[in-house]
Amino acid sequence: EAEVAQSPRYKITEKSQAVAFWCDPISGHATLYWYRQILGQGPELLVQFQDESVVDDSQLPKDRFSAERLKGVDSTLKIQPAELGDSAMYLCASAGALNTEAFFGQGTRLTVV
Amino acid sequence: QKEVEQDPGPLSVPEGAIVSLNCTYSNSAFQYFMWYRQYSRKGPELLMYTYSSGNKEDGRFTAQVDKSSKYISLFIRDSQPSDSATYLCAMSPTDSWGKLQFGAGTQVVVTP
Repeated sequence: EAEVAQSPRYKITEKSQAVAFWCDPISGHATLYWYRQILGQGPELLVQFQDESVVDDSQLPKDRFSAERLKGVDSTLKIQPAELGDSAMYLCASAGALNTEAFFGQGTRLTVV
Repeated sequence: QKEVEQDPGPLSVPEGAIVSLNCTYSNSAFQYFMWYRQYSRKGPELLMYTYSSGNKEDGRFTAQVDKSSKYISLFIRDSQPSDSATYLCAMSPTDSWGKLQFGAGTQVVVTP
């Protein structure tokens, strides 16, 4: 069964360090989303890609966060420098089209110490 | 105030009972309404979606949307211990089903 792959599953980093997360969407899915889910809260959209283009990054803290999807397939989300408040689950989701179900990966749980 | 409000629970019910979950929202532009289930340390998975107002049934699950009251509900009949999870409501003002505003999630525990 096709699924969204994310790595690493868990990451512990010290504050002020750089950290990166990787997402491989379901094959053929043009739309890709990155969400952040703080413990006890619902996911919040950070950025949306359509193929290799950013469609919406209005909620991405651009002073420290960056996201790319260079070839329109897999994607990387980076945080530099990491802050204590960045501790959360980072979820990637992909969809075959805008008006179809978005499938979520298992997420990367980040702990900043 | 958040656009989507959802009681975080936990909600504990005995096996076989009906689970009733709900969310309220403030943005009248929301058109697509969804319910996701999230098991511990997993990503959310879509359970049901509804466009605009009305009811939708799928097996043991029923979703209701009342746009006039800005209120949506999910009912789970004949609940099972395997239904124990966090249930998230989510909404979108557009037909971009992945661009969602989520509630905080309600933790449900079904006891045998």
